[in-house]
Amino acid sequence: SQELEQSPQSLIVQEGKNLTINCTSSKTLYGLYWYKQKYGEGLIFLMMLQKGGEEKSHEKITAKLDEKKQQSSLHITASQPSHAGIYLCGADEGPSNTGKLIFGQGTTLQVKP
Amino acid sequence: NAGVTQTPKFQVLKTGQSMTLQCAQDMNHNSMYWYRQDPGMGLRLIYYSASEGTTDKGEVPNGYNVSRLNKREFSLRLESAAPSQTSVYFCASSSRQVLGEQYFGPGTRLTVT
Repeated sequence: SQELEQSPQSLIVQEGKNLTINCTSSKTLYGLYWYKQKYGEGLIFLMMLQKGGEEKSHEKITAKLDEKKQQSSLHITASQPSHAGIYLCGADEGPSNTGKLIFGQGTTLQVKP
Repeated sequence: NAGVTQTPKFQVLKTGQSMTLQCAQDMNHNSMYWYRQDPGMGLRLIYYSASEGTTDKGEVPNGYNVSRLNKREFSLRLESAAPSQTSVYFCASSSRQVLGEQYFGPGTRLTVT
């Protein structure tokens, strides 16, 4: 079965610094989704990537899917305290659009003012 | 729009007791999902419903049953709770177009003693 590994597991950065979170899959990625979760709350959808080499940005967050479609990275530029939370990558279980997702274990981000 | 709502927010059960977790969405979504989140394990899919009247197993269905009561509501039942079912449970929904883009409820924190 497919597995997603996120690195690092946790991250503490000073406000204003850039950071990158990686998500590596054991199999080809057909659809890769990034979510953010604040402590004690539900997940919020950030971005979806489907094509190798695809890159998307939303405000100061950029996500990329590598050409071989087995890894994605999430990059935050000039981090702010509002970026703190848990970031999870999720992937389609297979090539069919079923909505059945598997998730990585999450990366906890703290941003120090 | 309330989005996805879940009740209750917190619950403590004794081993062997039963309970039903309720979920409702007001976004006219066809697909709904139940996940559990455990420390270090990420989110794991329990059951999902692609449309009203259909349900299917996810990665960890044992010990659970579901009912898609109508298009809005999707409930999760624990018939005989076990300590291994202590977890945070999330309900989610998605539209037909991109099923991996899911909208999550705030979660139910369940403890089984």
